[in-house]
Amino acid sequence: EDKVVQSPLSLVVHEGDTVTLNCSYEVTNFRSLLWYKQEKKAPTFLFMLTSSGIEKKSGRLSSILDKKELFSILNITATQTGDSAVYLCAVVSSRDDKIIFGKGTRLHILP
Amino acid sequence: DAGITQSPRYKITETGRQVTLMCHQTWSHSYMFWYRQDLGHGLRLIYYSAAADITDKGEVPDGYVVSRSKTENFPLTLESATRSQTSVYFCASSWTIHNEQFFGPGTRLTVL
Repeated sequence: EDKVVQSPLSLVVHEGDTVTLNCSYEVTNFRSLLWYKQEKKAPTFLFMLTSSGIEKKSGRLSSILDKKELFSILNITATQTGDSAVYLCAVVSSRDDKIIFGKGTRLHILP
Repeated sequence: DAGITQSPRYKITETGRQVTLMCHQTWSHSYMFWYRQDLGHGLRLIYYSAAADITDKGEVPDGYVVSRSKTENFPLTLESATRSQTSVYFCASSWTIHNEQFFGPGTRLTVL
């Protein structure tokens, strides 16, 4: 059965810390992996990864995919209270055009 | 206004009633999706559509019906609402199945 597992489920850190969020997957015919940020509303897109070893970066956020070991990480450096959110990982399979979301990591940044 | 909208934003209904949630996008995206989000389950795909008149089941389609007669609209109908369908429903759209999706603001549905 295809699955996407995110860890940790929740995380509390202090402002300025660096955090690493994990997303592992078992999906037939992997096509892409996407990260979203969800505050108290709809998810918003962060990154899409399709190739192994290539880092995507946007400001303090970065992400990398390892297709051999079947996981991705999302790094946030110098965290700010505005980074508090649920971070969702989704994997797309080209078989049946299936999209599977993980349950998310709830990140809380303490001032 | 450009974007993706959902209506209503909040809905309370009773068990057994039919409810339709509306979704409208102005980008002419080919793909549209319906998700439900519940504590402990994350986002789960209910149905999706690759184009007008083409729809497919997702992970949790039972109890739901969709249609897509026009590219820009993708209504979701609960034919006979049950308490287990109390949830937040998100509509999304994208150009392709594997690219970023743009999410609507969500509809919070309560079934009493």
